[in-house]
Amino acid sequence: GNSVTQMEGPVTLSEEAFLTINCTYTATGYPSLFWYVQYPGEGLQLLLKATKADDKGSNKGFEATYRKETTSFHLEKGSVQVSDSAVYFCALSGHDSGAGSYQLTFGKGTKLSVIP
Amino acid sequence: DTGVSQDPRHKITKRGQNVTFRCDPISEHNRLYWYRQTLGQGPEFLTYFQNEAQLEKSRLLSDRFSAERPKGSFSTLEIQRTEQGDSAMYLCASSPRASGNTDTQYFGPGTRLTVL
Repeated sequence: GNSVTQMEGPVTLSEEAFLTINCTYTATGYPSLFWYVQYPGEGLQLLLKATKADDKGSNKGFEATYRKETTSFHLEKGSVQVSDSAVYFCALSGHDSGAGSYQLTFGKGTKLSVIP
Repeated sequence: DTGVSQDPRHKITKRGQNVTFRCDPISEHNRLYWYRQTLGQGPEFLTYFQNEAQLEKSRLLSDRFSAERPKGSFSTLEIQRTEQGDSAMYLCASSPRASGNTDTQYFGPGTRLTVL
């Protein structure tokens, strides 16, 4: 079945540091890949996505590249801010099960804390 | 477009009681998903609706759980005879018609259930 593995947290960085959160996946077919972010007390928000190999998703200074050869979708940001403190979830959407569902399979999440 | 809304945001109940949660998707989104998230874990898929039809259910959805989406608009998730293991955050997501090999899901803030 589908699965997502992301690096264990928590991760603590100083402001303006470089961020990498590793994510690897196992899936049949050609999944789409997502990063969602959950700020304290809020719901999941879509951060970025990529739908095919070598696609790069980007948003708010965050980037991730769909690497089929290494089955990875690592999240990066060149200079983090205190406001980036949140929990980050990597997810994949498998191919249509035949019922029209593109259910998401999530990793366990990585908590990021950025200190001034 | 006010986003996906869920009600209530918090629910505390005693073991054995029935509870019902409501989700209002983004208007004109015909696809609706329910997920469950326990502490320290990523969300797990429960069930999927396309319009009013429930087309897919996870094995996590025991027979104490039932979900409906009358008229293809809002959805309800009912848990009968609640157990302490049902304590979790229940998330609803909606998406517009799928494009290509995927859809993009937008999440509500969730309903946090605590079973005493």
